[in-house]
Amino acid sequence: DTEVTQTPKHLVMGMTNKKSLKCEQHMGHRAMYWYKQKAKKPPELMFVYSYEKLSINESVPSRFSPECPNSSLLNLHLHALQPEDSALYLCASSKGGLAGGQYNEQFFGPGTRLTVL
Amino acid sequence: DAKTTQPNSMESNEEEPVHLPCNHSTISGTDYIHWYRQLPSQGPEYVIHGLTSNVNNRMASLAIAEDRKSSTLILHRATLRDAAVYYCILRGLSSGNTGKLIFGQGTTLQVKP
Repeated sequence: DTEVTQTPKHLVMGMTNKKSLKCEQHMGHRAMYWYKQKAKKPPELMFVYSYEKLSINESVPSRFSPECPNSSLLNLHLHALQPEDSALYLCASSKGGLAGGQYNEQFFGPGTRLTVL
Repeated sequence: DAKTTQPNSMESNEEEPVHLPCNHSTISGTDYIHWYRQLPSQGPEYVIHGLTSNVNNRMASLAIAEDRKSSTLILHRATLRDAAVYYCILRGLSSGNTGKLIFGQGTTLQVKP
């Protein structure tokens, strides 16, 4: 299984809602990532988990809360989002942890298209 | 961080080779050159990477200049399915981004039938 799956595919939420995005991989990868991609722009890194520990937070607002319950699963909890947070949220994983990351390819999921009303 | 420069867009005809250039004049000796592409409505996918020598895989070839200040991704026979945004990314200890993929604007490749 060489796939990263993400659910849901689409999500519409109000600014007062709480929702979660889910990402799963069964490749035994120990680094997992969240990226945000606005329309017509390149992906931007948000968070990196290495061996289930948060290793990188790219100064993301606290209304985004990542969680890595186990080595296969990555969640992104959303609360009190703004309309400008509407974007495609991409999850990725790579073998090993961050060390040696320059050798390792990242496998991306198809993304969750989030709309905040 | 070492940066890359790519043309905004390129066009190719189907069944013809495509050469996608990338300049990285501030590359350091430990930086790897990675290429990813993103097809419409999909997440990015890995294409190829290299350090100094030219590299080939089932998807493409990577030609790296002797001084490593530039590289070229070669698609040997473009198909309509190769229409995508192609990103050239440096990863390494000196770039401070071994674990990160820092995407630039990339090159949008159009393939004409």
